[in-house]
Amino acid sequence: NAGVTQTPKFRVLKTGQSMTLLCAQDMNHEYMYWYRQDPGMGLRLIHYSVGEGTTAKGEVPDGYNVSRLKKQNFLLGLESAAPSQTSVYFCASRSQGTGELFFGEGSRLTVL
Amino acid sequence: SQKIEQNSEALNIQEGKTATLTCNYTNYSPAYLQWYRQDPGRGPVFLLLIRENEKEKRKERLKVTFDTTLKQSLFHITASQPADSATYLCAYNAGNMFTFGGGTRLMVKP
Repeated sequence: NAGVTQTPKFRVLKTGQSMTLLCAQDMNHEYMYWYRQDPGMGLRLIHYSVGEGTTAKGEVPDGYNVSRLKKQNFLLGLESAAPSQTSVYFCASRSQGTGELFFGEGSRLTVL
Repeated sequence: SQKIEQNSEALNIQEGKTATLTCNYTNYSPAYLQWYRQDPGRGPVFLLLIRENEKEKRKERLKVTFDTTLKQSLFHITASQPADSATYLCAYNAGNMFTFGGGTRLMVKP
């Protein structure tokens, strides 16, 4: 049972480049989330989804887009990367039964 | 707006002692609070959930309390071990969103 899997784990981008982070979960969860974690800032919610085909903005959505075409996948896109988007990105899915969040191992992104 | 705060300073304790971490929130009481553990380079892992109408919740050496009057949750680890060293995060839910505190780093020295 893989749980929540994020790819890639590491990536270095140049300013202005685009990329997509993939999150996949095998627990049949409806709710999925993308967070970023920065030193001294804690986890901040970027976007989330309450089901296939739905997305919603979180606390810090600017500069990011998301898509939830399949229930098990939640994609986070950066159309034009900026150095301020250098961070560790975590995906999570939520169990409807217990309410707990299951996190992936993180994707470390550096924008030069 | 609702805020959730944890002591940003690291907590250093001796092995065998009880560690107590604090989570404070402003404004309204959330329906429930959650506590997570995060090790360096890893994603957070769920530990405990406590609901608004519950005073206390226990799981092995872990205990969580929820005081709606003080707007505070306390997280205790009894008989602490070096393996308990990690960052501990509290989180509350607002509708479908989960907001996390900044976390408190716990260091248990042998």
